[in-house]
Amino acid sequence: QKEVEQDPGPLSVPEGAIVSLNCTYSNSAFQYFMWYRQYSRKGPELLMYTYSSGNKEDGRFTAQVDKSSKYISLFIRDSQPSDSATYLCAMSDGNQFYFGTGTSLTVIP
Amino acid sequence: EAQVTQNPRYLITVTGKKLTVTCSQNMNHEYMSWYRQDPGLGLRQIYYSMNVEVTDKGDVPEGYKVSRKEKRNFPLILESPSPNQTSLYFCASRRTGESNQPQHFGDGTRLSIL
Repeated sequence: QKEVEQDPGPLSVPEGAIVSLNCTYSNSAFQYFMWYRQYSRKGPELLMYTYSSGNKEDGRFTAQVDKSSKYISLFIRDSQPSDSATYLCAMSDGNQFYFGTGTSLTVIP
Repeated sequence: EAQVTQNPRYLITVTGKKLTVTCSQNMNHEYMSWYRQDPGLGLRQIYYSMNVEVTDKGDVPEGYKVSRKEKRNFPLILESPSPNQTSLYFCASRRTGESNQPQHFGDGTRLSIL
């Protein structure tokens, strides 16, 4: 079983839609939870960073962590064509990092 | 400008010919790490370093070596590259300590081993 599971998509939505991206994990030692965005031919760029459980909001982005269910989510409100990218979830126990396989998102104008 | 710099960005080489991919960061970060990214497998950690002269294996260390002689540099060495090491490689760094910070990534090195 993989440490982190992420639906690869692809996901295609119209501009302005709410997007929901999810990951599940198996290791209860994970304390740090991240979402990265990756454009083609570029390195992952940090979007959201959460320590332990709870919600975090930054502009159009909201990250949720439910440690009891081992489930994390990223919501994108009012999605824009510029949000089209691959989104990676990542988790860490403080030393090692584990990434999901990424979800490819296309926002259609 | 704060950045993680990898070189080369692209390399095509042959099986068995030793190669080194360099990684340098200018943020005085303690932690540095190497990943490979493959379709369907995502990003997998190869090695990481918590500080100078301290390195540890990640998920997929076989066939790779690293060293951390200086804080800013963390080279990845393939002593005898094989075709299954053809991949997109990323170096990353972060600050550690009282507030574990997330990683900053370089722009990647695409390696093709023939």
